[in-house]
Amino acid sequence: EIVMTQSPGTLSVSPGERATLSCRASQSVSSSLAWYQQRPGQAPRLLIYGASTRATGIPARFSGSGYGTEFTLTISSLQFEDFAIYYCQQYSNWYTFGQGTKLEIK
Amino acid sequence: QVQLVQSGAEVKTPGASVKVSCKASGYSFTDYTIFWVRQAPGQRLEWMGWIDVGYGDNKYSQKFQGRVTLTKDTSASTVFMELRSLTSEDTAVYYCARRGYSGADLYFDHWGQGTLVTVSS
Repeated sequence: EIVMTQSPGTLSVSPGERATLSCRASQSVSSSLAWYQQRPGQAPRLLIYGASTRATGIPARFSGSGYGTEFTLTISSLQFEDFAIYYCQQYSNWYTFGQGTKLEIK
Repeated sequence: QVQLVQSGAEVKTPGASVKVSCKASGYSFTDYTIFWVRQAPGQRLEWMGWIDVGYGDNKYSQKFQGRVTLTKDTSASTVFMELRSLTSEDTAVYYCARRGYSGADLYFDHWGQGTLVTVSS
């Protein structure tokens, strides 16, 4: 099983600033990586797939990068609605998720 | 718009079974595969299985093999997930999710609202 590890566990950032979240795979997943946002009490929401392609309706302030085993989600200018938990997920070999990064207001 | 609407919360005793439904609308039901993903307290999301609604094929995660069954009612655009021999470790929010695709990319592009299943004596 491919293990996905996210860092940091919690990230404190002020509104308007940039946030950078990391995800590492235990073996190469090529670009078969997605990012999801989950707000309290809600289902996950697809943000990015193919490591860098924004899903329909996702604002341009969200961007993804990386290949192989190292991936990054960047939120360029944080809005209040962006404070949530973010998960990465690989779909190269079945489907596994990271443990999540909680993005909180500083 | 695409919607997946799940049945309501359930409380079960250990050893019982639970059956959760997921009704789809806003797209061609048979064109997409539906997954079930669960989120236990403090645990990461984990996929349980999928059902190819068009062909009726399904596949289960090894962790749940033998304990979970996915079925469908095409006339009602609904998928069902039954989990048997429940223990307290099955207490979780269960989601259905549509697997979208773009070329070789597969991802969960729409999710149900989640169904909380509580297992307690």
